[in-house]
Amino acid sequence: NAGVMQNPRHLVRRRGQEARLRCSPVKGHSHVYWYRQLPEEGLKFMVYLQKENIIDESGMPKERFSAEFPKEGPSILRIQQVVRGDSAAYFCASSPPSVLVPFFGQGTRLTVV
Amino acid sequence: QKEVEQNSGPLSVPEGAIASLNCTYSDRGSQSFFWYRQYSGKSPELIMSIYSNGDKEDGRFTAQLNKASQYVSLLIRDSQPSDSATYLCAPWSSGNTGKLIFGQGTTLQVKP
Repeated sequence: NAGVMQNPRHLVRRRGQEARLRCSPVKGHSHVYWYRQLPEEGLKFMVYLQKENIIDESGMPKERFSAEFPKEGPSILRIQQVVRGDSAAYFCASSPPSVLVPFFGQGTRLTVV
Repeated sequence: QKEVEQNSGPLSVPEGAIASLNCTYSDRGSQSFFWYRQYSGKSPELIMSIYSNGDKEDGRFTAQLNKASQYVSLLIRDSQPSDSATYLCAPWSSGNTGKLIFGQGTTLQVKP
């Protein structure tokens, strides 16, 4: 859905660097979800956020990964000290509070070299 | 047991045929069911939702739900080459914090 804006679309990082992925939800959507898709694999849930709150982070790796959705500004998925295994497509989705059906952004393709 | 199971395929059908995509789920509390289509290299796109047992039709697409059997399917009539994509099934449960858990997806190939 063109309404969910993710940037950058492509991101290349060297091993050990930090990656910051941004997601601006559809206007009026207060729920944001992050999913990861490894090559040739399905969509894996990572984290579900509402403004200033993490609702469910059961899919987030315990280390190096964090996410936030501040009162103002986009949602950020942060990956510290990236490794080659972090190379994937990261999709953000958003939904309004009344209808929890997520609409996806175009994704950020992260490549770790 | 996986939460959501789909045959990864590929499912190959000739143009004009009916494509049948199946999905089973483990959470009996699932209340709503969604089908997303994902073209290669693109993001998932919502194409169908179904909430009650039975059939729901939308153009060439029909979703079928059987909660007792924990089974949901998507039929695509008059399949077109442009339908070639991966189809993802996603049940929704309010007891699962509201997030969608996706199946692996079934890759459909429609051959001209």
